Amino acid sequence: QSALTQPRSVSGSPGQSVTISCTGTSSDIGGYNYVSWFQQHPGKVPKLMIYDVSKRPSGVPDRFSGSKSDNTASLTISGLQTEDEADYYCCSYAGHSTPIFFGGGTKLTVL
Amino acid sequence: QVQLVQSGAEVKKPGASVKVSCKTSGYTFTTFFIHWVRQAPGQGPEWMGWIDTNNGVTNYAQKFQGRVTMTRDTSIGTAYMELSSLRSDDTAIYYCARTVTNIDFDPWGQGTLVTVSS
Repeated sequence: QSALTQPRSVSGSPGQSVTISCTGTSSDIGGYNYVSWFQQHPGKVPKLMIYDVSKRPSGVPDRFSGSKSDNTASLTISGLQTEDEADYYCCSYAGHSTPIFFGGGTKLTVL
Repeated sequence: QVQLVQSGAEVKKPGASVKVSCKTSGYTFTTFFIHWVRQAPGQGPEWMGWIDTNNGVTNYAQKFQGRVTMTRDTSIGTAYMELSSLRSDDTAIYYCARTVTNIDFDPWGQGTLVTVSS
Protein backbone atom coordinates (compact mmCIF):
# COMPACT_ATOMS: atom_id res chain seq x y z
CA GLN A 1 0.00 0.00 0.00
CA SER A 2 1.25 3.42 -0.97
CA ALA A 3 2.17 6.02 1.60
CA LEU A 4 2.83 9.69 1.02
CA THR A 5 5.35 11.27 3.37
CA GLN A 6 5.00 14.86 4.52
CA PRO A 7 6.95 16.79 7.17
CA ARG A 8 4.93 16.92 10.37
CA SER A 9 5.33 20.66 10.70
CA VAL A 10 6.69 23.75 8.99
CA SER A 11 6.68 27.36 10.05
CA GLY A 12 7.26 30.80 8.66
CA SER A 13 6.75 34.46 9.41
CA PRO A 14 4.15 36.66 7.75
CA GLY A 15 5.31 37.68 4.28
CA GLN A 16 7.76 34.81 3.95
CA SER A 17 7.47 31.75 1.73
CA VAL A 18 7.25 28.13 2.81
CA THR A 19 7.32 24.88 0.87
CA ILE A 20 5.69 21.66 1.98
CA SER A 21 6.93 18.45 0.40
CA CYS A 22 5.07 15.22 -0.28
CA THR A 23 7.19 12.21 -1.17
CA GLY A 24 5.77 9.12 -2.80
CA THR A 25 6.97 6.59 -5.34
CA SER A 26 7.01 6.00 -9.07
CA SER A 27 3.68 4.18 -8.63
CA ASP A 28 1.84 7.25 -7.41
CA ILE A 29 3.29 10.78 -7.56
CA GLY A 30 5.97 9.84 -10.06
CA GLY A 31 3.59 7.93 -12.31
CA TYR A 32 0.75 10.38 -12.81
CA ASN A 33 0.12 14.09 -13.00
CA TYR A 34 -2.62 13.82 -10.43
CA VAL A 35 -1.59 15.44 -7.17
CA SER A 36 -3.92 17.57 -5.08
CA TRP A 37 -3.38 19.67 -1.97
CA PHE A 38 -5.94 20.44 0.71
CA GLN A 39 -6.01 23.01 3.49
CA GLN A 40 -7.87 22.19 6.68
CA HIS A 41 -8.47 24.56 9.57
CA PRO A 42 -9.37 22.98 12.93
CA GLY A 43 -12.89 21.64 12.95
CA LYS A 44 -13.47 22.57 9.32
CA VAL A 45 -13.95 20.69 6.07
CA PRO A 46 -10.85 20.21 3.88
CA LYS A 47 -10.54 22.78 1.10
CA LEU A 48 -9.03 22.08 -2.31
CA MET A 49 -6.06 24.39 -2.94
CA ILE A 50 -4.23 22.71 -5.86
CA TYR A 51 -5.18 19.91 -8.27
CA ASP A 52 -3.51 18.20 -11.21
CA VAL A 53 -0.12 19.06 -9.63
CA SER A 54 -0.23 22.80 -10.28
CA LYS A 55 -3.75 24.01 -11.11
CA ARG A 56 -5.57 26.38 -8.78
CA PRO A 57 -9.35 26.29 -8.38
CA SER A 58 -11.09 29.61 -8.80
CA GLY A 59 -10.96 31.63 -5.62
CA VAL A 60 -7.66 30.24 -4.38
CA PRO A 61 -5.06 33.02 -4.14
CA ASP A 62 -2.11 32.83 -6.53
CA ARG A 63 0.14 32.82 -3.46
CA PHE A 64 -0.47 29.07 -3.50
CA SER A 65 1.41 27.08 -6.14
CA GLY A 66 2.15 23.42 -6.76
CA SER A 67 4.88 21.52 -8.54
CA LYS A 68 6.31 18.05 -8.92
CA SER A 69 9.75 16.56 -9.50
CA ASP A 70 10.17 12.83 -9.88
CA ASN A 71 8.41 11.22 -6.90
CA THR A 72 8.04 14.39 -4.83
CA ALA A 73 5.30 16.99 -5.03
CA SER A 74 5.53 20.39 -3.40
CA LEU A 75 3.15 23.09 -2.25
CA THR A 76 4.62 26.56 -1.97
CA ILE A 77 2.86 29.37 -0.15
CA SER A 78 4.34 32.80 -0.73
CA GLY A 79 3.56 35.99 1.14
CA LEU A 80 2.44 34.04 4.21
CA GLN A 81 -0.61 35.35 6.02
CA THR A 82 -1.86 34.46 9.48
CA GLU A 83 -4.95 32.82 8.00
CA ASP A 84 -2.73 30.34 6.16
CA GLU A 85 -2.03 28.63 9.49
CA ALA A 86 -3.68 25.23 9.06
CA ASP A 87 -3.03 21.58 8.30
CA TYR A 88 -2.13 20.74 4.71
CA TYR A 89 -2.60 17.34 3.10
CA CYS A 90 -1.31 16.07 -0.22
CA CYS A 91 -3.19 13.47 -2.21
CA SER A 92 -2.09 11.36 -5.16
CA TYR A 93 -3.64 9.00 -7.67
CA ALA A 94 -1.94 5.59 -7.81
CA GLY A 95 -3.63 3.63 -10.56
CA HIS A 96 -6.89 1.74 -10.84
CA SER A 97 -6.33 -1.05 -8.34
CA THR A 98 -5.34 1.07 -5.34
CA PRO A 99 -6.31 4.48 -6.56
CA ILE A 100 -6.01 7.29 -4.07
CA PHE A 101 -3.85 8.10 -1.06
CA PHE A 102 -3.49 11.05 1.27
CA GLY A 103 -0.34 12.15 3.01
CA GLY A 104 -0.10 12.27 6.79
CA GLY A 105 -0.44 16.03 6.87
CA THR A 106 1.75 19.02 7.68
CA LYS A 107 0.92 21.60 10.31
CA LEU A 108 1.81 25.08 9.11
CA THR A 109 2.47 27.62 11.85
CA VAL A 110 2.67 31.30 10.94
CA LEU A 111 4.83 32.84 13.63
CA GLN B 1 -24.09 26.72 -6.39
CA VAL B 2 -22.91 23.15 -6.04
CA GLN B 3 -23.74 21.70 -2.64
CA LEU B 4 -23.38 18.33 -0.94
CA VAL B 5 -25.45 17.90 2.22
CA GLN B 6 -24.93 14.84 4.38
CA SER B 7 -27.12 13.09 6.91
CA GLY B 8 -26.71 13.64 10.62
CA ALA B 9 -24.44 12.15 13.24
CA GLU B 10 -24.79 8.49 14.17
CA VAL B 11 -23.91 6.44 17.23
CA LYS B 12 -23.55 2.72 16.63
CA LYS B 13 -22.56 -0.36 18.61
CA PRO B 14 -19.67 -2.57 17.51
CA GLY B 15 -20.79 -5.04 14.85
CA ALA B 16 -23.60 -2.82 13.56
CA SER B 17 -23.84 -1.06 10.19
CA VAL B 18 -24.21 2.59 9.32
CA LYS B 19 -25.54 4.22 6.16
CA VAL B 20 -24.66 7.84 5.39
CA SER B 21 -26.38 9.86 2.68
CA CYS B 22 -25.03 12.70 0.54
CA LYS B 23 -27.63 14.81 -1.23
CA THR B 24 -26.33 16.91 -4.10
CA SER B 25 -27.69 20.05 -5.74
CA GLY B 26 -26.61 22.70 -8.22
CA TYR B 27 -25.40 20.40 -10.99
CA THR B 28 -26.35 17.30 -12.98
CA PHE B 29 -25.80 14.46 -10.52
CA THR B 30 -24.84 11.81 -13.06
CA THR B 31 -22.05 13.87 -14.61
CA PHE B 32 -19.41 13.47 -11.91
CA PHE B 33 -18.10 10.83 -9.51
CA ILE B 34 -18.80 10.94 -5.79
CA HIS B 35 -16.03 9.82 -3.43
CA TRP B 36 -16.15 8.96 0.26
CA VAL B 37 -13.32 9.99 2.56
CA ARG B 38 -13.12 9.53 6.31
CA GLN B 39 -11.05 11.25 8.96
CA ALA B 40 -10.50 9.73 12.37
CA PRO B 41 -9.94 12.08 15.33
CA GLY B 42 -6.54 13.75 15.02
CA GLN B 43 -5.70 11.88 11.85
CA GLY B 44 -5.44 12.73 8.17
CA PRO B 45 -8.07 11.93 5.56
CA GLU B 46 -8.42 8.37 4.31
CA TRP B 47 -9.94 7.60 0.92
CA MET B 48 -12.61 4.89 1.01
CA GLY B 49 -13.81 4.64 -2.57
CA TRP B 50 -15.81 6.19 -5.38
CA ILE B 51 -19.02 5.62 -7.25
CA ASP B 52 -19.62 6.50 -10.88
CA THR B 53 -23.00 8.16 -10.45
CA ASN B 54 -23.85 7.55 -14.11
CA ASN B 55 -23.78 3.75 -14.06
CA GLY B 56 -23.28 2.80 -10.42
CA VAL B 57 -19.83 1.26 -10.92
CA THR B 58 -17.77 1.43 -7.75
CA ASN B 59 -14.11 1.19 -6.77
CA TYR B 60 -13.30 0.61 -3.11
CA ALA B 61 -10.02 0.96 -1.27
CA GLN B 62 -8.61 -2.46 -0.52
CA LYS B 63 -8.87 -1.82 3.22
CA PHE B 64 -12.66 -1.53 3.05
CA GLN B 65 -13.51 -4.17 0.47
CA GLY B 66 -16.15 -6.53 1.82
CA ARG B 67 -17.35 -4.01 4.42
CA VAL B 68 -18.33 -0.96 2.38
CA THR B 69 -21.11 -0.50 -0.16
CA MET B 70 -21.60 2.67 -2.16
CA THR B 71 -24.86 3.25 -3.99
CA ARG B 72 -26.78 6.10 -5.53
CA ASP B 73 -30.34 7.16 -6.32
CA THR B 74 -30.25 9.23 -9.50
CA SER B 75 -33.90 10.26 -9.12
CA ILE B 76 -33.05 12.34 -6.06
CA GLY B 77 -29.38 13.10 -6.75
CA THR B 78 -28.18 11.31 -3.65
CA ALA B 79 -25.24 9.02 -2.96
CA TYR B 80 -24.98 6.60 -0.05
CA MET B 81 -22.17 4.88 1.81
CA GLU B 82 -22.86 1.89 4.04
CA LEU B 83 -20.16 0.46 6.29
CA SER B 84 -20.80 -2.81 8.08
CA SER B 85 -19.21 -4.76 10.94
CA LEU B 86 -18.34 -1.52 12.67
CA ARG B 87 -15.42 -1.40 15.12
CA SER B 88 -14.31 1.28 17.53
CA ASP B 89 -11.59 2.38 15.12
CA ASP B 90 -14.26 3.21 12.55
CA THR B 91 -15.13 6.22 14.70
CA ALA B 92 -14.52 9.13 12.36
CA ILE B 93 -16.04 11.94 10.36
CA TYR B 94 -17.21 10.60 7.02
CA TYR B 95 -17.24 12.99 4.06
CA CYS B 96 -18.58 12.77 0.54
CA ALA B 97 -16.91 14.84 -2.14
CA ARG B 98 -17.36 15.40 -5.85
CA THR B 99 -14.59 15.15 -8.42
CA VAL B 100 -14.56 16.65 -11.90
CA THR B 101 -11.22 15.48 -13.27
CA ASN B 102 -9.56 12.88 -11.04
CA ILE B 103 -8.77 13.79 -7.42
CA ASP B 104 -9.94 17.39 -7.37
CA PHE B 105 -12.28 16.79 -4.42
CA ASP B 106 -14.50 19.87 -4.45
CA PRO B 107 -16.87 20.55 -2.92
CA TRP B 108 -17.06 18.37 0.17
CA GLY B 109 -20.10 17.59 2.24
CA GLN B 110 -20.19 18.99 5.74
CA GLY B 111 -19.21 15.63 7.20
CA THR B 112 -21.07 13.04 9.27
CA LEU B 113 -19.66 11.98 12.62
CA VAL B 114 -20.02 8.26 13.18
CA THR B 115 -19.24 7.11 16.70
CA VAL B 116 -18.82 3.41 17.39
CA SER B 117 -19.08 2.62 21.07
CA SER B 118 -20.50 -0.10 23.25
